[in-house]
Amino acid sequence: DTGVSQDPRHKITKRGQNVTFRCDPISEHNRLYWYRQTLGQGPEFLTYFQNEAQLEKSRLLSDRFSAERPKGSFSTLEIQRTEQGDSAMYLCASSLGNRHNEKLFFGSGTQLSVL
Amino acid sequence: AQSVSQHNHHVILSEAASLELGCNYSYGGTVNLFWYVQYPGQHLQLLLKYFSGDPLVKGIKGFEAEFIKSKFSFNLRKPSVQWSDTAEYFCAVIRSGAGSYQLTFGKGTKLSVIP
Repeated sequence: DTGVSQDPRHKITKRGQNVTFRCDPISEHNRLYWYRQTLGQGPEFLTYFQNEAQLEKSRLLSDRFSAERPKGSFSTLEIQRTEQGDSAMYLCASSLGNRHNEKLFFGSGTQLSVL
Repeated sequence: AQSVSQHNHHVILSEAASLELGCNYSYGGTVNLFWYVQYPGQHLQLLLKYFSGDPLVKGIKGFEAEFIKSKFSFNLRKPSVQWSDTAEYFCAVIRSGAGSYQLTFGKGTKLSVIP
């Protein structure tokens, strides 16, 4: 167990509905990342936080996606008006430190299916 | 933006065979390089990383990787694979010294080891 928890493990929703995922990182980790992975692809960066500040967002992240980390601990990722193309595994990771070579600890992910 | 290419989609080996998985990246500046592994039913975890110094890095479970700057490569090797090495392997790169903490992954190589 890496210590990064994601909830729910699976989410099935209808197109047009809003969904929210939660990530609880390892408690002392200052950085938190969201990635998305589709079948046959590697994880794709979405956004990251340093403490409560969202410092970077992928250009691929549409305005239907929003993420928060209000107290620098857990984070939520919300997708509004879901589309079938949003179906993917959403991965959360956390790390400790401020260097580029820090090890990321990944959670098991939330599998989203949009019908 | 940087990109990562992994040459093999699926590799099938018999136990005790030697392994080499190719990885090339596109960014010309200073980089940090990683191999992550995902065992069946488990989360992504770090296998090894390179950020400076000796270009031959050793990781867990007998894996090693060699950074060849002139070839923009970071190939993963293991002299003798075991059935328990069956997993998906992802190469990843991050630009060092840039303002971004975006880790870019390759598409992954699935390794199947036959007992």
